[in-house]
Formats: sequence, C-alpha cells, structure tokens
Amino acid sequence: AIQLTQSPSSLSASVGDRVTITCRASQDLNNALAWYQQTPGRPPKLLIHAASTLEGGVPSRFSGSGSGTHFTLTISSLQPEDFTTYYCQQFYDFPLTFGGGTKVEIK
Amino acid sequence: QVQLQESGPGLVKPSQTLSLTCTVSVDPISSGNYFWGWIRQPPGKGLEWIGRIYTNGGANYNPSLKTRVTMSIDTSKSQFSLNLSSVTAADTAIYYCARETIWSGYDYWGQGALVTISS
Repeated sequence: AIQLTQSPSSLSASVGDRVTITCRASQDLNNALAWYQQTPGRPPKLLIHAASTLEGGVPSRFSGSGSGTHFTLTISSLQPEDFTTYYCQQFYDFPLTFGGGTKVEIK
Repeated sequence: QVQLQESGPGLVKPSQTLSLTCTVSVDPISSGNYFWGWIRQPPGKGLEWIGRIYTNGGANYNPSLKTRVTMSIDTSKSQFSLNLSSVTAADTAIYYCARETIWSGYDYWGQGALVTISS
C-alpha cells in the first residue's frame, strides 16, 4: 500500500499566519492527491483534488501544489475557522490511503 | 445538494457482523461518474478507507479488511450497504459513507455512524 506521511503532525500558529502542510508519498502519485479539512464531530470536507484544483466554495486562501511524491497544502492567511485537522488522500492506487493528519492549533 | 445518511445498529457484539446502509438523496444513484464509498475513523484517530462500489456492483476493498468486507448497492432504493464480519473491538469507529467523483475525491459525506463493538 502507498504510505502517505504528513508533516508536521501538529503546528501552532496565529490568525493571519501563512501555514504549509506537507504530504509525502512512498511512490509516485502523478497528481492523484486530495486534501480534506475535518472539524471535530463533523465528516471531512474536500478542499482540493488533483493536487491543486480547489473545490467550489472553498476560500481562495487555500491552495495545493506538488506532483510525484511531494505535495503541499498552504493556507495563506489563517482564519479562526481554519484551526482544525487536515488530511491528504491518494487516489493513485488501491487501497486508497490517507495521511495521518495535521492538527493546526492556535498559538 | 447531495445528501447521504448512514443507518444501522450502534452496538454490535464481538464476532458478529456489522451492517450499515447509506441512503443517498440523489435519484437515480446510478447517474453520473461516481463511486460510493465507506471510510471509518476510530474515535480520536485518523481515517481508513474501507472500500467503494460502483453502480454496476463492481467493488474495490481495502486488502486489510478484504476477507471480512462485502458491499452491495440497490440503485432502485438509492442505497448502498456495508457488511463487516467477525468484528472485534478494533472495529469500533465512526463509519462514514461518501460519494467519490471518480479518482478525484470524496465530495459528499454522511454525518457518520458510531458503531461500538462490545458484548
């Protein structure tokens, strides 16, 4: 199975900060990677698919980049509602796998 | 707006079979280029992909669960289902059903159903 390693596993930041989360794959994914945001008690919300395509309705402060084995999710200016957990997921091969998650906390 | 809703027992005894159904608001469920999937999340932990099923009944399962998982779909009822046999406490989790735009991402999710495995 393809392993996805997210880093950091948690980070502390302030409102307005620029934050970058990394997802590294154990093999080439081309661009078959999605990013999700999950708030406690809620299902994940799809933010980005195909590594860099923003879902409709997702604020433009979110962006994704990368290809191959190295991907990033960037939040350009953290807002209060962004302090939660983020996951990457690969769609390149079975089984579809998720990264371990990154928790963004208020500094 | 597509809506999904999981239903099924919240408590299952060890060694028994966990059965959940997902009802989808879209009619017919067979339209469009979508898979219908199941993902689970143990309380306080990360996400695990269980598998997905297409409208023709073809399915892909996670090998880690493959010997215990069966999925089915009833397009006439806009429902798809998950059966997980021989459950143990390790199967205690929130089970989500979700729609996958093929190879792109799970764009619509149910609210999740907490299933506890306990005697």
